[in-house]
Amino acid sequence: GENVEQHPSTLSVQEGDSAVIKCTYSDSASNYFPWYKQELGKGPQLIIDIRSNVGEKKDQRIAVTLNKTAKHFSLHITETQPEDSAVYFCASDSNYQLIWGAGTKLIIKP
Amino acid sequence: DAGVTQSPTHLIKTRGQQVTLRCSPKSGHDTVSWYQQALGQGPQFIFQYYEEEERQRGNFPDRFSGHQFPNYSSELNVNALLLGDSALYLCASSPLGGPISMNTEAFFGQGTRLTVV
Repeated sequence: GENVEQHPSTLSVQEGDSAVIKCTYSDSASNYFPWYKQELGKGPQLIIDIRSNVGEKKDQRIAVTLNKTAKHFSLHITETQPEDSAVYFCASDSNYQLIWGAGTKLIIKP
Repeated sequence: DAGVTQSPTHLIKTRGQQVTLRCSPKSGHDTVSWYQQALGQGPQFIFQYYEEEERQRGNFPDRFSGHQFPNYSSELNVNALLLGDSALYLCASSPLGGPISMNTEAFFGQGTRLTVV
């Protein structure tokens, strides 16, 4: 079946530094690539998404890039803050469903 | 706007029992999807409901069934519970009958934590 690989599984960065999370997908028909943030005990929250007709999208400190040829997309968080600490999931659409990566635990060190 | 609401938030059941979880979609959304999230993993797609019918199903056994009501709310039923069914069950809603591949956003509820003992 289709799958999404996400790296790294854990990422520890100094407060104020940047964080980058990378994902690779397998379904060449995928057109929608959301990123979710999940805090402990809560459901996933959509933070940014990108569609296949664009290569990059930015929203304040968060940006996502997409390379459809290579089938990979990345999340970039700049000027990290303590409240950025959470588990981040990438996903891609495939046949009415979202296929999810395994998640990245982002730790912001003070 | 209340967003996606799920009930109950926590539930403890015994092996072999049956459970029903409930979801109310975000206002204006007519499509509901259910996901199972085991501890430390990403969500796994169970099924999606649109116009009161199951439109797509993931790799889950028939013990997992669902229903969508005319007001777009939905239920997830699990029969003959196993210890391995312990997980966070997430409901997601999308607007206007669009599948994810039609570029519609999916909004998630806070989930129902099911523990099977």
